[in-house]
Amino acid sequence: EVQLVESGGGLVQPGGSLRLACAASGFSLTHYAMIWVRQAPGKGLEWVSAVSGSGENTYFGDSVKGRFTVSRDMSKNTHYLHMNSLRAEDTAIYYCAKDRGNYDLWSGSESLESWGQGTLVTVSS
Amino acid sequence: DIQLTQSPSSLSASVGDSVTMTCRASQSVSTYVNWYQQRPGKAPQLLIYAASRLQSGVPSRFSGGGSETHFTLTISSLQPEDFAIYFCQQSYSTPPFTFGPGTKVDIK
Repeated sequence: EVQLVESGGGLVQPGGSLRLACAASGFSLTHYAMIWVRQAPGKGLEWVSAVSGSGENTYFGDSVKGRFTVSRDMSKNTHYLHMNSLRAEDTAIYYCAKDRGNYDLWSGSESLESWGQGTLVTVSS
Repeated sequence: DIQLTQSPSSLSASVGDSVTMTCRASQSVSTYVNWYQQRPGKAPQLLIYAASRLQSGVPSRFSGGGSETHFTLTISSLQPEDFAIYFCQQSYSTPPFTFGPGTKVDIK
């Protein structure tokens, strides 16, 4: 059974940094793309970042480009979102998701088939 | 980036009703559209991928259609657990794979 468990959220001051973790089980990160999606309070879904199964390809939304990075620890089968220069508008629930595809080869069926429960990030002084 | 709009932004319906909602893309995305359901306080769940393919485990009362720039999600015979927000997403070309703003389905 696929499980995704996020951690690392919390309160951080503007300009600060935070690292979110997504511990995956039931599959290997090497075979699937991993995505972060966020949702500001009372708002819709915003696509944040992705890393391909091989780890060679990373993608970021315009609002976080240059501030957020991703990494993986294959020994722990865990995916990380490193958030720097945080702003009030980064306040949101951050969800980790597993794509059906790997983003190394495109199948036409790319879609977020499994999601974690989310972790709340609050940026405030 | 490709922009998605959804209509209506909200609708009211009764248990047993059939409802259809629309997602429009700012450019052609072929059939690379997915639909998600989000119940209050919960993570989104995938319902439909590649415009019309039903995700495993999703009830058959959900169906999707469309291509190019116009897509639909239909729920036949609404059930109490279907009252939620529905988001479309495009997965055309390369990321970012943007989401639409959502359609909220609530009880009449």
